Amino acid sequence: AQSVTQPDIHITVSEGASLELRCNYSYGATPYLFWYVQSPGQGLQLLLKYFSGDTLVQGIKGFEAEFKRSQSSFNLRKPSVHWSDAAEYFCAVGAGYQKVTFGTGTKLQVIP
Amino acid sequence: GAVVSQHPSWVICKSGTSVKIECRSLDFQATTMFWYRQFPKQSLMLMATSNEGSKATYEQGVEKDKFLINHASLTLSTLTVTSAHPEDSSFYICSARDSSGGPYNEQFFGPGTRLTVL
Repeated sequence: AQSVTQPDIHITVSEGASLELRCNYSYGATPYLFWYVQSPGQGLQLLLKYFSGDTLVQGIKGFEAEFKRSQSSFNLRKPSVHWSDAAEYFCAVGAGYQKVTFGTGTKLQVIP
Repeated sequence: GAVVSQHPSWVICKSGTSVKIECRSLDFQATTMFWYRQFPKQSLMLMATSNEGSKATYEQGVEKDKFLINHASLTLSTLTVTSAHPEDSSFYICSARDSSGGPYNEQFFGPGTRLTVL
């Protein structure tokens, strides 16, 4: 069965600092990978996705993620965090027409 | 493009009553829609997969007689919480998969519905 692990429940970074959110997945075949962001009381917004090809994926709001098959990871990065990036971030895995499985989320706090 | 709406955005009801939540894909057709439940500070839990014109597929542990799902058109799915109780209070989120999107599985999410049962 597919699964997603986000080992960090909560992360605090200073505004302007770099960010990396970790995501590890388990899937029997080539996965489709996603990162979503959720602001309080809101739905989910897709930041970026990986299906195939270049393993470094660029997304919206200056985010990027790198797919590393050997490590079963799909970590999300941003070189300089803004206060508006404070939110909950979810990594997800799915493939083809199968259902998508979400990780437990990482809550990002940004301090001035 | 790819906008999904939910109505209502929040609802408060008395215990024992039924509540209907609508999920609409506004600018695309969605053969498949998904209903999730999210408890505070937790991840999304898939409740059921809704396919247009057929019965929904429920995840293990989800009571299909309590959470009635109807997907009567390519742009509308509804979730009815029947005989709601306080433990049904939660944030319900729907998503829709673009029928023309192929196997890439991208889901577009609605803004969610906050249900509070008194």
